[in-house]
Amino acid sequence: DTAVSQTPKYLVTQMGNDKSIKCEQNLGHDTMYWYKQDSKKFLKIMFSYNNKELIINETVPNRFSPKSPDKAHLNLHINSLELGDSAVYFCASRADSDTIYFGEGSWLTVV
Amino acid sequence: SQKIEQNSEALNIQEGKTATLTCNYTNYSPAYLQWYRQDPGRGPVFLLLIRENEKEKRKERLKVTFDTTLKQSLFHITASQPADSATYLCALESSARQLTFGSGTQLTVLP
Repeated sequence: DTAVSQTPKYLVTQMGNDKSIKCEQNLGHDTMYWYKQDSKKFLKIMFSYNNKELIINETVPNRFSPKSPDKAHLNLHINSLELGDSAVYFCASRADSDTIYFGEGSWLTVV
Repeated sequence: SQKIEQNSEALNIQEGKTATLTCNYTNYSPAYLQWYRQDPGRGPVFLLLIRENEKEKRKERLKVTFDTTLKQSLFHITASQPADSATYLCALESSARQLTFGSGTQLTVLP
């Protein structure tokens, strides 16, 4: 029973393509996030949603668009992929206890 | 500007010794601080949360201290084992339920 699951785990795509990463949590949490981890392992927040509403949108290019069809899902769509988008993307959800539960990550490689 | 610094990128210690990792922060007034463990190819996993009114928290071989005057948290692993080898991340809540992570310390416990 994976608490936060994201798909695909690995994604290799060409520059200019559009791709999506899906995320689902079965924990009943109201808040979900997308984080990006670069090659130096620095984990940086991209978006935060609370009960399907966008709360935080860090300085992320508008090629990145999150979509939350319901509070258990937060998908990330990326348009016109660039080489610099290559990274690991983590979905996460937050408990009332303030603990963050992360998914296993999606490795995106843009070639 | 707000900053979180973890003392070193990499720390090697001998099995059985106590590992001590440091997290320093500036321009935050966090209500709590969290520590996470990240293994290669996996998402971060929550370990401990310590609140501003708590000086120390323990969980099995783990101990965390939180000094809001020094703006520092120390994370200790006693009787370290090779299985403790991982990257350890500290995290603070900055605003609007947004958790900001340090860059992590990669711990290697040598047999």
